[in-house]
Amino acid sequence: DGGITQSPKYLFRKEGQNVTLSCEQNLNHDAMYWYRQDPGQGLRLIYYSQIVNDFQKGDIAEGYSVSREKKESFPLTVTSAQKNPTAFYLCASSPDVQKQFFGPGTRLTVL
Amino acid sequence: GEDVEQSLFLSVREGDSSVINCTYTDSSSTYLYWYKQEPGAGLQLLTYIFSNMDMKQDQRLTVLLNKKDKHLSLRIADTQTGDSAIYFCAETYTGTASKLTFGTGTRLQVTL
Repeated sequence: DGGITQSPKYLFRKEGQNVTLSCEQNLNHDAMYWYRQDPGQGLRLIYYSQIVNDFQKGDIAEGYSVSREKKESFPLTVTSAQKNPTAFYLCASSPDVQKQFFGPGTRLTVL
Repeated sequence: GEDVEQSLFLSVREGDSSVINCTYTDSSSTYLYWYKQEPGAGLQLLTYIFSNMDMKQDQRLTVLLNKKDKHLSLRIADTQTGDSAIYFCAETYTGTASKLTFGTGTRLQVTL
């Protein structure tokens, strides 16, 4: 069963804690992306990776970090430096420049 | 910089056609997309169009692109209650490693 999985579906964090969101794909896609979605807004790009062991900052990278040690995995860490982390986080992967496919998302809430 | 705009809300009756509109500012856009998002879910790619095309049809979906006016529309024929969702327009352009720029989304409400 091919696809993009994100875990957990819901995540709660206390202020000052780092949390890591998982994104895995078995589609053999080279490129992977992390987006943040806030209510009433479109998606904003946090980080992206076009190839293993390489990644670039997107438009809102401050307070976030990523790694790409394996083609299948692109975890996102939300650090305590992110001032307003409560949001819906979406991971995507892409086989080419034409289209991106999205995972089901993780909703992060800061308590 | 690039910017993509959409109206926030559209309400249609079941069985009617829906037309969701989008305007963009970047004239070097290469691909334009329509994504659908149901509550609490990820985005589903509905269709996309290359910038040298005027129209693309896929079953109930018709995409029209007016490159001169930088206007993209999505027409859904015979709209069903299952079409109720948020629809996002997005663009990508040459040299951006397929980074997508999204509009704010249009919430489509289908009434009986």
